[in-house]
Amino acid sequence: QQQVRQSPQSLTVWEGETAILNCSYENSAFDYFPWYQQFPGEGPALLIAIRSVSDKKEDGGFTIFFNKREKNLSLHIKDSQPGDSATYFCAATNSGTYQRFGTGTKLQVVP
Amino acid sequence: GALVYQYPRRTICKSGTSMRMECQAVGFQATSVAWYRQSPQKTFELIALSTVNSAIKYEQNFTQEKFPISHPNLSFSSMTVLNAYLEDRGLYLCGAREGTGNSDYTFGSGTRLLVI
Repeated sequence: QQQVRQSPQSLTVWEGETAILNCSYENSAFDYFPWYQQFPGEGPALLIAIRSVSDKKEDGGFTIFFNKREKNLSLHIKDSQPGDSATYFCAATNSGTYQRFGTGTKLQVVP
Repeated sequence: GALVYQYPRRTICKSGTSMRMECQAVGFQATSVAWYRQSPQKTFELIALSTVNSAIKYEQNFTQEKFPISHPNLSFSSMTVLNAYLEDRGLYLCGAREGTGNSDYTFGSGTRLLVI
């Protein structure tokens, strides 16, 4: 059972545009949502995270918008660069126990 | 800083044989270690969560008999894939974190398993 879903599966944007990656979850007990960036051949690296008590988190050019009522969140990558081309995973965790990963969005930024 | 090393980085094993992979935490105490598998074109499936001084919790579709895990101290964990077959191929990821609160997991680069 896939508890964390992402859309779109793949996304192509032009350099300089804002890329928007979506994530939704089923378990209302999830309270912490990290986003990971994965390059081919590597493990996922933590990019930015938000707790369910917040509705927005910014860090550099990355912003998470969180909607607890709708059980969804989105990652906005402002001024996308070709180096941002990677697969992005949303994850969800329940009060410090297990962490579940989303289905992933493969982002390609075209120069 | 907190780092997690996994080895080997990649390995090939014959169908029906077993393969052990290791996970080393450096710079922090790995109170909890989570093992995941990323199959080709798929997301990361949680295999099991191991917390020191607690029983290892396996997810549905994964068993101790197939994926025995050892977590003997706060810096090391290992997992074995017993009797590996083609469907076991993929990237096996170890994530570790300190404490039991909402601290972030630190992930290793994974062990890529090929089964021939």
